[in-house]
Amino acid sequence: GAVVSQHPSWVICKSGTSVKIECRSLDFQATTMFWYRQFPKQSLMLMATSNEGSKATYEQGVEKDKFLINHASLTLSTLTVTSAHPEDSSFYICSAKWGSGMNTEAFFGQGTRLTVV
Amino acid sequence: GQQVMQIPQYQHVQEGEDFTTYCNSSTTLSNIQWYKQRPGGHPVFLIQLVKSGEVKKQKRLTFQFGEAKKNSSLHITATQTTDVGTYFCAGTGNQFYFGTGTSLTVIP
Repeated sequence: GAVVSQHPSWVICKSGTSVKIECRSLDFQATTMFWYRQFPKQSLMLMATSNEGSKATYEQGVEKDKFLINHASLTLSTLTVTSAHPEDSSFYICSAKWGSGMNTEAFFGQGTRLTVV
Repeated sequence: GQQVMQIPQYQHVQEGEDFTTYCNSSTTLSNIQWYKQRPGGHPVFLIQLVKSGEVKKQKRLTFQFGEAKKNSSLHITATQTTDVGTYFCAGTGNQFYFGTGTSLTVIP
């Protein structure tokens, strides 16, 4: 299957600082990328959907000014957690699809474990 | 927003027993996908169902899509310890939402 690389795999940051997470599709062009967060033993909660070259669509309850998403190219999307707080500690994971339709499988990055101290 | 619920949330089975997880959506889905996530890992695609009433098999796994395209099931026959993990359905309507997941533990 296609490869999606997510970096970093884990990060520890101080409260109040910002953290950027990168999601790259290595061997295909990702028209659509999704960002999820997952708390321990819970499901993946969709945060936002981003299409290359356009603004991300955020799910209800997700602060767009806090979780900045940039999908500047067909192979790269970034999620920046601004002014991070301990409650932002979570597992963040991206996925990417190619094509404009929804009948294609999603390929997932390895995830990023964020700990805010 | 779209709600995709799965039951049960947890399931413990003896090795060799069968296992089924059910996925229910509040809205009609364009298609449904199933993923498996091992502890500490990321979700891995298993299969996609598109047609109403579709049934697909992968060795010991049987996937079914409901006639109304609002529910789906995954059945594993004769579970093995390698089946351990959390199984998620993912429903596609306007977005791509994951179900709540079923965590499977297989007791040797």
